[in-house]
Order: sequence, then structure tokens, then C-alpha cells
Amino acid sequence: GQQVMQIPQYQHVQEGEDFTTYCNSSTTLSNIQWYKQRPGGHPVFLIQLVKSGEVKKQKRLTFQFGEAKKNSSLHITATQTTDVGTYFCDGGSNYKLTFGKGTLLTVNP
Amino acid sequence: SQTIHQWPATLVQPVGSPLSLECTVEGTSNPNLYWYRQAAGRGLQLLFYSVGIGQISSEVPQNLSASRPQDRQFILSSKKLLLSDSGFYLCAWKRGTNTGELFFGEGSRLTVL
Repeated sequence: GQQVMQIPQYQHVQEGEDFTTYCNSSTTLSNIQWYKQRPGGHPVFLIQLVKSGEVKKQKRLTFQFGEAKKNSSLHITATQTTDVGTYFCDGGSNYKLTFGKGTLLTVNP
Repeated sequence: SQTIHQWPATLVQPVGSPLSLECTVEGTSNPNLYWYRQAAGRGLQLLFYSVGIGQISSEVPQNLSASRPQDRQFILSSKKLLLSDSGFYLCAWKRGTNTGELFFGEGSRLTVL
């Protein structure tokens, strides 16, 4: 079945440092979604990428979809304490979503 | 606007007791519905999904079951809970087949003692 691997599992940064998490698939994805889950909360949708090589920005967050549509990344510039949480990618098919295990980001103020 | 409600938010149950978690979606029709479990605050494990009334697909063999008695109602059940059933259960829905956005409920935290 489709496998989505996410790295790193954990990342601790100083406030103001950058952060990147990567999502890699064993198969070509039709699209990919990114979610953020705050501690104690539920995952919240951030963005969807559909096109090969697509880049989207949301303030300090930059999302990329690889040319081969097998990998994606989420980059946060100048992290803040509000960025703390677990970031998940999902590269599932129409009915069945396949989440990576997530990257837990902690930020030291 | 669409909303998703999930309850109860927290519950503590003894081993061997039954379980029923309910989830309802408002403001949309024929959603795809999902139950996830998240252990130790990390990965999302897909338990069940449903593309229509009475249609349930099980992803992980376990002592849990799911039912969809109405279009926008999804129920997770167990006849006898195990210690390993403890975790954070999340209900979610998405539209149709072409959009990827998944909307999650606020979750139900189950502790089995």
C-alpha cells in the first residue's frame, strides 16, 4: 500500500530559528495536504498542494510539492512559540487518507 | 457552514466495559467519514472510514467496530474495552473525492483502567 514517511520525528529549535519537515512517498501522489495539531488539540488543515513543483506561502510558512509529486516540505521561517505542535502530511487517495507520523516541533523562547 | 461534533470529550472506562463514541456532521451531505486513533500524542492511525450509509471499511483488526446509521452520523463502538484501547479518538469528514481537506472533530480522550 501507499507509504508516507515524514522526517524528522522531533525537532527542537530556539525561537527565531528556521524549521523544515519533509514528507516522502513511495508512490506518486495526486495531491498532498498539511495539518497542524497543537498540544492537546485536534489536527487543523493548513494547505493542499496539487501541481508538480507547486510552492505556496502562508506568512512565515512555505509549502513545496516536488516535481515528481513524491515529496513535499513545510518550512517555517523565524519560528515563534505559537508554532509549537505536530505537523502532519497526508498523501492519501480519494477515500483513504495516509498520514505521515508527524513532526513534533518544540520552540524554546 | 459545516460543523462536526464529537462526544464525549473525555471518558474513563474499566477494562471489559462497552464503548460508544458518537460523531455528527452538520451542513453537508454524503460526507466521507473517518475514525482515527492517536496514541501517545503522535501518529494518526486510521481505524474506519465510510463513504456512505451502512458502508464501513475497517483498516485495523481490533475489538472496535463502527456504524453509520445515518448520512451524517458515525459511531465507534466496542463490546469489551482493552487497556490498549486507551487513546485519543478523532472523528473527521471530508467532501467527495477530489478535495483533500479533512475536518476533524475535537476528539475524545479515552482512558481504560
